[in-house]
Amino acid sequence: QKEVEQNSGPLSVPEGAIASLNCTYSDRGSQSFFWYRQYSGKSPELIMFIYSNGDKEDGRFTAQLNKASQYVSLLIRDSQPSDSATYLCAVGRNNNDMRFGAGTRLTVKP
Amino acid sequence: DVKVTQSSRYLVKRTGEKVFLECVQDMDHENMFWYRQDPGLGLRLIYFSYDVKMKEKGDIPEGYSVSREKKERFSLILESASTNQTSMYLCASSWRGQGFSEQYFGPGTRLTVT
Repeated sequence: QKEVEQNSGPLSVPEGAIASLNCTYSDRGSQSFFWYRQYSGKSPELIMFIYSNGDKEDGRFTAQLNKASQYVSLLIRDSQPSDSATYLCAVGRNNNDMRFGAGTRLTVKP
Repeated sequence: DVKVTQSSRYLVKRTGEKVFLECVQDMDHENMFWYRQDPGLGLRLIYFSYDVKMKEKGDIPEGYSVSREKKERFSLILESASTNQTSMYLCASSWRGQGFSEQYFGPGTRLTVT
């Protein structure tokens, strides 16, 4: 079993819709949860992080964490074509021990 | 503006060659990391370093070594390159302090071993 699992996609949504990206993890000791966005040919960049159960909102992005279910998700409201990218979920015990999922490729169609 | 740079964007080497990939960060970060990224496998940690001259193995250290002689510089060495080391190599750095901090990534080096 992979430590961090994501649906590889591709996930395709129309412009203006909500995109929902999911991630599960196996290590119950994980304390930090990150979402990175990676455009094709570019390096990952952080868009959201969450440490506590519940929701965290930042503009059009909402991260949701459920530690009991070992589940973290990212919602993108009013999806734009510029949101088309691969989204990487990262989970860690501490700053020295992070694990990344394989990523979900999102396509937002105009 | 934070910056992580890598010595090459593209590199082509022959099987058996010794390969050096260099990473430099200008943020005074304690932690530095080397990952490789392959389709369907995501980012896999090769080695990380939390201080000068310190190193820890990640998930896939076999065939690789690292060197950190200065805080800002972290080198990845392929002692004898093999075709299965063809991949995208990403360097990252982060703070080591209390709590958690994001990892800042370099632009990546696409290595092809023929």
